[in-house]
Amino acid sequence: AQSVTQPDIHITVSEGASLELRCNYSYGATPYLFWYVQSPGQGLQLLLKYFSGDTLVQGIKGFEAEFKRSQSSFNLRKPSVHWSDAAEYFCAVGAKTSYDKVIFGPGTSLSVIP
Amino acid sequence: DTAVSQTPKYLVTQMGNDKSIKCEQNLGHDTMYWYKQDSKKFLKIMFSYNNKELIINETVPNRFSPKSPDKAHLNLHINSLELGDSAVYFCASSQASGRSDEQYFGPGTRLTVT
Repeated sequence: AQSVTQPDIHITVSEGASLELRCNYSYGATPYLFWYVQSPGQGLQLLLKYFSGDTLVQGIKGFEAEFKRSQSSFNLRKPSVHWSDAAEYFCAVGAKTSYDKVIFGPGTSLSVIP
Repeated sequence: DTAVSQTPKYLVTQMGNDKSIKCEQNLGHDTMYWYKQDSKKFLKIMFSYNNKELIINETVPNRFSPKSPDKAHLNLHINSLELGDSAVYFCASSQASGRSDEQYFGPGTRLTVT
């Protein structure tokens, strides 16, 4: 079965600084990979997804993620963080199993210092 | 227009009571889900329906019963509420099978059992 880990429970960055959130997955083949963001008191919103092709994926709000098969990673990056980026970020993996479901990682909470 | 809506947004009730949470999506999607998010923000799928048919039923107490009267609605009924049921419950939908499709989340229902 597939699984997802996000090594960083909480990250604090200064506004304007660059950001990288880590995600590692476990699955025998190339999975479907997603990053979702959850703002306080809100539901989750898709930032970007990877299925195949170009391993560098562009998303909304200036985010990008890079799929690295050799490292089983799908890290999320942003060159310059804005205060409004403070939120919970979830990496997720979908895979062909008996149930077509998506497994979410434990999340990384991002705080932004003005 | 709200894509995925849930009612109520907050639900405070006593142990032993029965309660329902309603979910509606106006996206024309075929698949709907219920997720539970615990106090540590961990998100776990509970149920998934595709065209009113149950396709995912995770290890959830049978006190929880989903009902899908049509493919735009997926309600969650909970019998004999327990303290451990306190959480935020999210409804979501996707065009097709969830493993590869973007999921659209509702705003969540915060359930507090006292």
